[in-house]
Amino acid sequence: GAGVSQTPSNKVTEKGKYVELRCDPISGHTALYWYRQSLGQGPEFLIYFQGTGAADDSGLPNDRFFAVRPEGSVSTLKIQRTERGDSAVYLCASSLVRDTDTQYFGPGTRLTVL
Amino acid sequence: AQKVTQAQTEISVVEKEDVTLDCVYETRDTTYYLFWYKQPPSGELVFLIRRNSFDEQNEISGRYSWNFQKSTSSFNFTITASQVVDSAVYFCALWPRNQGGKLIFGQGTELSVKP
Repeated sequence: GAGVSQTPSNKVTEKGKYVELRCDPISGHTALYWYRQSLGQGPEFLIYFQGTGAADDSGLPNDRFFAVRPEGSVSTLKIQRTERGDSAVYLCASSLVRDTDTQYFGPGTRLTVL
Repeated sequence: AQKVTQAQTEISVVEKEDVTLDCVYETRDTTYYLFWYKQPPSGELVFLIRRNSFDEQNEISGRYSWNFQKSTSSFNFTITASQVVDSAVYFCALWPRNQGGKLIFGQGTELSVKP
């Protein structure tokens, strides 16, 4: 079946602009996760949704970052007033039901802030 | 502290050689899960294996094998008879049960298999 999909695959924006990154999880997966991967590093956790609610947003770096999942499926990561330090690959993952199920990752969105 | 260390940043081997990727973890949780993911140049993280802290049996899947030792907090990954298609960055990850959905990744090991 289809895996996790993310759009856009690449996003170039200017410092100070607002961006939205979209994640479409595997059909039937109720848990959804966002991670950020800087060059040469492992992914770092940002936020985890169980259904429509954010179960853990402890990884969001500051209040410029926000994520929603209004219908319990597609999620959008929103970044306000982007900074050059926000440049990274943003990865989305989903898992079947519980937070103990294996996470399957999408291809990521490469964000470049000029 | 919850931490994963992959001390090998880069490894280069010639095709058909065996190669072992090291992973050492730290956690105070008694229940946790360990994972290996492969990240080819395309960028997508591909799930390889998951082990829980109560199962120390080693596992073999084709050319891949994993050695989990709680006594040394290690979860090493061996590729036997490596192939060029194995070239990728490999990540070891820890999931402490009390951390919700948060996977803790190591820095990754870039494996290059030359023909």
